[in-house]
Amino acid sequence: KQEVTQIPAALSVPEGENLVLNCSFTDSAIYNLQWFRQDPGKGLTSLLLIQSSQREQTSGRLNASLDKSSGRSTLYIAASQPGDSATYLCAGLGLGNQFYFGTGTSLTVIP
Amino acid sequence: GAVVSQHPSRVICKSGTSVKIECRSLDFQATTMFWYRQFPKQSLMLMATSNEGSKATYEQGVEKDKFLINHASLTLSTLTVTSAHPEDSSFYICSAIQINTGGEKLFFGSGTQLSVL
Repeated sequence: KQEVTQIPAALSVPEGENLVLNCSFTDSAIYNLQWFRQDPGKGLTSLLLIQSSQREQTSGRLNASLDKSSGRSTLYIAASQPGDSATYLCAGLGLGNQFYFGTGTSLTVIP
Repeated sequence: GAVVSQHPSRVICKSGTSVKIECRSLDFQATTMFWYRQFPKQSLMLMATSNEGSKATYEQGVEKDKFLINHASLTLSTLTVTSAHPEDSSFYICSAIQINTGGEKLFFGSGTQLSVL
């Protein structure tokens, strides 16, 4: 069964720092990978989608990469801002249209 | 971009009542929708996969008679929590798969906070 681990579970950084969030899958047979953001009490907001033929995606200060051979993905956030404080989840699309979610990384950016 | 609407956003009900949550894909057809449950400070837990025109597929440990799912059209799936009890209090989120030439993408509703008194 697919298991998704996100490291670290929690992260606190001062404003302006660059940071990296990690996501790893026990089964590297995933097709697409998405990074989401969740604010407290709210639904998930999709940040970046890496499709099966791609290795990375960029949107503004965010960059996500996927190494399918190792089953690892990273989300890079540049010049962090207090508004980036949220929980970040990665999810991989596997067999049968099943999405497998990570446990999340809780990010706090200190002004 | 694609939008998934979930309603209501918050429900407070008495123990023993049933609660229906709606999930609509507003500008695309979704043959597959998902229902999740989230406990505080924990990740999403997939409850069931809702397929248009057929029975939902429930994850292990999820009571199908407790959580009734209906996906009667390509844009609407409903989750009914029957005879709700305080332990059913949770945050419920739906999602829908949009399929286009660029691949598959998952869109989420805004969630429903259920509180059972």
